Amino acid sequence: DTGVSQNPRHKITKRGQNVTFRCDPISEHNRLYWYRQTLGQGPEFLTYFQNEAQLEKSRLLSDRFSAERPKGSFSTLEIQRTEQGDSAMYLCASRPGPIGLAEQFFGPGTRLTVL
Amino acid sequence: AQSVSQHNHHVILSEAASLELGCNYSYGGTVNLFWYVQYPGQHLQLLLKYFSGDPLVKGIKGFEAEFIKSKFSFNLRKPSVQWSDTAEYFCAVNGESSGTYKYIFGTGTRLKVLA
Repeated sequence: DTGVSQNPRHKITKRGQNVTFRCDPISEHNRLYWYRQTLGQGPEFLTYFQNEAQLEKSRLLSDRFSAERPKGSFSTLEIQRTEQGDSAMYLCASRPGPIGLAEQFFGPGTRLTVL
Repeated sequence: AQSVSQHNHHVILSEAASLELGCNYSYGGTVNLFWYVQYPGQHLQLLLKYFSGDPLVKGIKGFEAEFIKSKFSFNLRKPSVQWSDTAEYFCAVNGESSGTYKYIFGTGTRLKVLA
């Protein structure tokens, strides 16, 4: 399967712990997005990478959140000192560049539950 | 402010009934429009997209959507639904003005088709 993959698929953690999620985009896609989806809502944009450069961060991304994309391949999203409000589905998507007229391909998501 | 509205949060139909899901957007500049579907337990998949040209676009599985610029709408239609269309449907918009082509999603419509 050459689609977008995300690991882990599920993560249960206690409040105050740190968690890290990984996204492997489609190999030739140099644009990568992270979104967060809570119950009853559509996905909301968190951050965007073009190759290894993080070019935009949403105001939703507090200073407890950090994302990286070393070498422009896989990406990680880390949440420090998790809070119950962080419980959500975290989605990764990728698309080819540079032309913007291309849809994003989504991974299966990582469901985070903070107890 | 940029936003997408999906007015129907839950829709229940019998098989063979016709479907129309509403989507209205507020977005500055030229827009690209998308409908994604999420089947139970699966990731977001693209149903159809509009970039330019013929405002009536056809997608997979017999779905179509019409872009009406004057109404800022991109409604999804299917003449005859099947039980397998039971899923959640999301309308999304992006555009060059964002710089990143990040998606703005609606809140989604849960469709249940009764056999």
